[in-house]
Amino acid sequence: DAGITQSPRYKITETGRQVTLMCHQTWSHSYMFWYRQDLGHGLRLIYYSAAADITDKGEVPDGYVVSRSKTENFPLTLESATRSQTSVYFCASSGAGRSGANVLTFGAGSRLTVL
Amino acid sequence: AQSVTQLGSHVSVSEGALVLLRCNYSSSVPPYLFWYVQYPNQGLQLLLKYTSAATLVKGINGFEAEFKKSETSFHLTKPSAHMSDAAEYFCAVSDRYSSASKIIFGSGTRLSIRP
Repeated sequence: DAGITQSPRYKITETGRQVTLMCHQTWSHSYMFWYRQDLGHGLRLIYYSAAADITDKGEVPDGYVVSRSKTENFPLTLESATRSQTSVYFCASSGAGRSGANVLTFGAGSRLTVL
Repeated sequence: AQSVTQLGSHVSVSEGALVLLRCNYSSSVPPYLFWYVQYPNQGLQLLLKYTSAATLVKGINGFEAEFKKSETSFHLTKPSAHMSDAAEYFCAVSDRYSSASKIIFGSGTRLSIRP
């Protein structure tokens, strides 16, 4: 099916464990993003990627690692999860072209709880 | 630097009443402005966007927004609320000189509809 698929949708883990959230898109969009959504903060950008093998930090990158070896995949890894990383994580993509007018298309989200 | 402020974290209206969700922005260059909607347990989806054509922008589901430069506002309206409009709404800003990675989201307004 076309679109953005995030997995897992729900994850409970413990402090200190490594967690990877997966994101797969079928549109061959150049740009991909990871946001976290927390009450009162809206969406905050963690990392983004303009193309395969090109990634850059967003507003809140500490504690996260990303990679993009293929255009369609953009996994987000929490190397050592902390309670402050409990959040809902959204992956998004945007079409080719370096334009602020490009619309973001979002996945359904991954709800992560760190105990 | 850009920013966006959504006035009111929660708005409640009766079914059939006018919906007004307020958004004010700050931008040193001509902005692009967006409204996204998030239904429960889903990702965000685009309602409408302003990219410097007509100042009154019509979106999906009967929503519209008017760009007012003098007031630095981009309020979202719908003449008659429907129960299905209950959701979280996000205003966002970017600009023509930035990539899609520079889009800034507001903290969101939760819209409730009373029967």
